Amino acid sequence: EAQVTQNPRYLITVTGKKLTVTCSQNMNHEYMSWYRQDPGLGLRQIYYSMNVEVTDKGDVPEGYKVSRKEKRNFPLILESPSPNQTSLYFCASSPDRGEGANYGYTFGSGTRLTVV
Amino acid sequence: KQEVTQIPAALSVPEGENLVLNCSFTDSAIYNLQWFRQDPGKGLTSLLLIQSSQREQTSGRLNASLDKSSGRSTLYIAASQPGDSATYLCAHQGGKLIFGQGTELSVKP
Repeated sequence: EAQVTQNPRYLITVTGKKLTVTCSQNMNHEYMSWYRQDPGLGLRQIYYSMNVEVTDKGDVPEGYKVSRKEKRNFPLILESPSPNQTSLYFCASSPDRGEGANYGYTFGSGTRLTVV
Repeated sequence: KQEVTQIPAALSVPEGENLVLNCSFTDSAIYNLQWFRQDPGKGLTSLLLIQSSQREQTSGRLNASLDKSSGRSTLYIAASQPGDSATYLCAHQGGKLIFGQGTELSVKP
């Protein structure tokens, strides 16, 4: 089944403890991105990757890191989590960025992160 | 800068009613427009993708239209059911997805 898989689904952690949220897609998509969803603010892009070893900042990159060493994986790293990073996180993939293309995005099921 | 607005923010209808959800965007130079459904605390399920060269797409009881000249897209749901209750999001696709705030739909039995 074609899908984007995120892990974990739920995570509670303490301030300052490094964590990684994994994202993997099995559709051979080139483009992957991370979003966070907050009440009243909607979905905002954190980072994106157009291909292996190519990553760039989205709208709210502060406090996050990403890497794209393999095409299928795009982990989100919080080096020193803070309470304002408590949010619902989504990973998404697409065959390309969408400019002039005919493809939609596929989203993972989300990771609910709580930082205390 | 592209902005996406959805109206209304919330909608409650009795079962069986036909309804329209609205999405407007500020930049008519869009690429694609994608509609999603999100159940509470869950992920986003893609409903329909309208390519920039298309005017509408249909899937079952859902029909989405796109009018680039007026900067609007609508999602039409026919014969609504309680199982349609969810938040519906539209997103402009052009380099990245820019989402509207969503319409929270409640269909009462």
